Amino acid sequence: DGGITQSPKYLFRKEGQNVTLSCEQNLNHDAMYWYRQDPGQGLRLIYYSQIVNDFQKGDIAEGYSVSREKKESFPLTVTSAQKNPTAFYLCASSRGPGQGNQPQHFGDGTRLSIL
Amino acid sequence: SQQGEEDPQALSIQEGENATMNCSYKTSINNLQWYRQNSGRGLVHLILIRSNEREKHSGRLRVTLDTSKKSSSLLITASRAADTASYFCATDPLYSSASKIIFGSGTRLSIRP
Repeated sequence: DGGITQSPKYLFRKEGQNVTLSCEQNLNHDAMYWYRQDPGQGLRLIYYSQIVNDFQKGDIAEGYSVSREKKESFPLTVTSAQKNPTAFYLCASSRGPGQGNQPQHFGDGTRLSIL
Repeated sequence: SQQGEEDPQALSIQEGENATMNCSYKTSINNLQWYRQNSGRGLVHLILIRSNEREKHSGRLRVTLDTSKKSSSLLITASRAADTASYFCATDPLYSSASKIIFGSGTRLSIRP
């Protein structure tokens, strides 16, 4: 079955530590996204990538970093510079630019907490 | 930057009743999408309506779009317990060169048995 896999489901970060959230898709989508969701809130865009080896900052990129070395993978690193990282992180993918904004397909999220 | 705002923030209805949620947005759009999120899960795409469309149906879902009022509504008919979820609208801004959409803050729908 085609879809998006996020891992781990739960993650705990110690102060001063960087942690990396995994996102893999087998939908052959060009575009991938990372969102942050706080309790009772909507989604805020952290980073997005429209094509391999290219990515852009979203609305709340500070304290986060990404890479897009493969079409299937778009890992997110939450660095120690992100002072309030506790949130639900969602990864999504869609067909690339030039095809209209197609629906996004989401993974089931990673819940990050501070120890 | 938040483009869409859903109304109401929370809605509780009896099973079998219809549920209506509204979304207002600020700038011109290419299309508007509705998503559902079950508790602790990712979002699931429900329906996409383009700026030149006024109404769209999918099963028990009916979406309307009024570009003059910059608003959309999602109607779920004959609600079921499984419809309990949060519902989000997302807009594709007209002059955006990037393949990104902007989500609203959502409506939490509870269906009482």
